[in-house]
Amino acid sequence: AQKVTQAQTEISVVEKEDVTLDCVYETRDTTYYLFWYKQPPSGELVFLIRRNSFDEQNEISGRYSWNFQKSTSSFNFTITASQVVDSAVYFCALSDKYNTDKLIFGTGTRLQVFP
Amino acid sequence: DSGVTQTPKHLITATGQRVTLRCSPRSGDLSVYWYQQSLDQGLQFLIQYYNGEERAKGNILERFSAQQFPDLHSELNLSSLELGDSALYFCASSVQGQTQETQYFGPGTRLLVL
Repeated sequence: AQKVTQAQTEISVVEKEDVTLDCVYETRDTTYYLFWYKQPPSGELVFLIRRNSFDEQNEISGRYSWNFQKSTSSFNFTITASQVVDSAVYFCALSDKYNTDKLIFGTGTRLQVFP
Repeated sequence: DSGVTQTPKHLITATGQRVTLRCSPRSGDLSVYWYQQSLDQGLQFLIQYYNGEERAKGNILERFSAQQFPDLHSELNLSSLELGDSALYFCASSVQGQTQETQYFGPGTRLLVL
């Protein structure tokens, strides 16, 4: 069955610390897509990144980086030099054709960055 | 701003009532999805429409229904409301409604059933 696990319920760090949010997925498909979304306190869901199963290159966007490892079915997200504005709930999600295009979300990790 | 709009932002109603949530997708997007976010169930897919036709159904209750209109906006109707229906309801859109596409989410409608 398709599943996304975010084992870290809540993480607290002090500003400027680096933090890694873990995401482990299960799928029986060979072609699938992984996503990260951010949900700030205001409540909206903001798209951060999409990665397909054939592209295992790590990606960096400013202070954000993503490590995709097919061998361990993980798609981890690292924030470097965290800032208070990074405080939010972060969701990892999976999409594959067995789920008819819908997203399966993990339970989310709440990140609190203290000044 | 994702380009997806949802109205209303907040809705407070009583048990047994019926409400309608509205969503306008991003310009050019043909597919609309509805998701429910609750404390006990997390983020769950409800239903998907593509160009006016229902494409996929998730864990949507029979008391809930949706449709997508010719102008591509969508409405989610919730009837015989129960306390447990209190949640944040999101609409998302994508171009063709395919697996590889990014779904862009609206700001959500927060429903409180008293």
